[in-house]
Amino acid sequence: EAEVAQSPRYKITEKSQAVAFWCDPISGHATLYWYRQILGQGPELLVQFQDESVVDDSQLPKDRFSAERLKGVDSTLKIQPAELGDSAMYLCASRDGGGNNEQFFGPGTRLTVL
Amino acid sequence: QKEVEQNSGPLSVPEGAIASLNCTYSDRGSQSFFWYRQYSGKSPELIMSIYSNGDKEDGRFTAQLNKASQYVSLLIRDSQPSDSATYLCAVNWNQAGTALIFGKGTTLSVSS
Repeated sequence: EAEVAQSPRYKITEKSQAVAFWCDPISGHATLYWYRQILGQGPELLVQFQDESVVDDSQLPKDRFSAERLKGVDSTLKIQPAELGDSAMYLCASRDGGGNNEQFFGPGTRLTVL
Repeated sequence: QKEVEQNSGPLSVPEGAIASLNCTYSDRGSQSFFWYRQYSGKSPELIMSIYSNGDKEDGRFTAQLNKASQYVSLLIRDSQPSDSATYLCAVNWNQAGTALIFGKGTTLSVSS
């Protein structure tokens, strides 16, 4: 069964350091999303890609966060510098081009900033 | 401000009972509605999607949508201890119509 891949699964870093997360969507899925989920909350959209183009990054803290999907396949989310409040689960999801809008999540990256 | 509201719970039901989870949303333009199940420490797993008013059944799960009341629900019949998890309601919201806004989730506990 096709799945969204993410790495690393866990990341511990100190504040002010740089971190990067990687996502490989389900093959053929043109739309890719990065969400952040703080403990006890629902996921919140950070950025949405359609192929290699950013569709929505209105909620991405652009002073420290960046995201790219250069070839329209896998994607990288970076935080520099990390802050204590960035501790969360970072989730990648993908969707095919059909009209049902079903999104499938990867296993996530649990980030802890010390 | 687009919002999705859920009771945080915990909702406790005995094994074999029906669990009823509710969700309301603020954006009347929303078109797609989803229920995700999330076990502790894991990522959300899609269990139901619904797009039109009425009921949609899949095994022990039934999703119900009432767009006039801006209300979505999930019924779980014959609840099992393995159903114990947090259930997230999600609604599409942005102009492209695909990104989701999530509620905070309802924690369900099924006792054996």
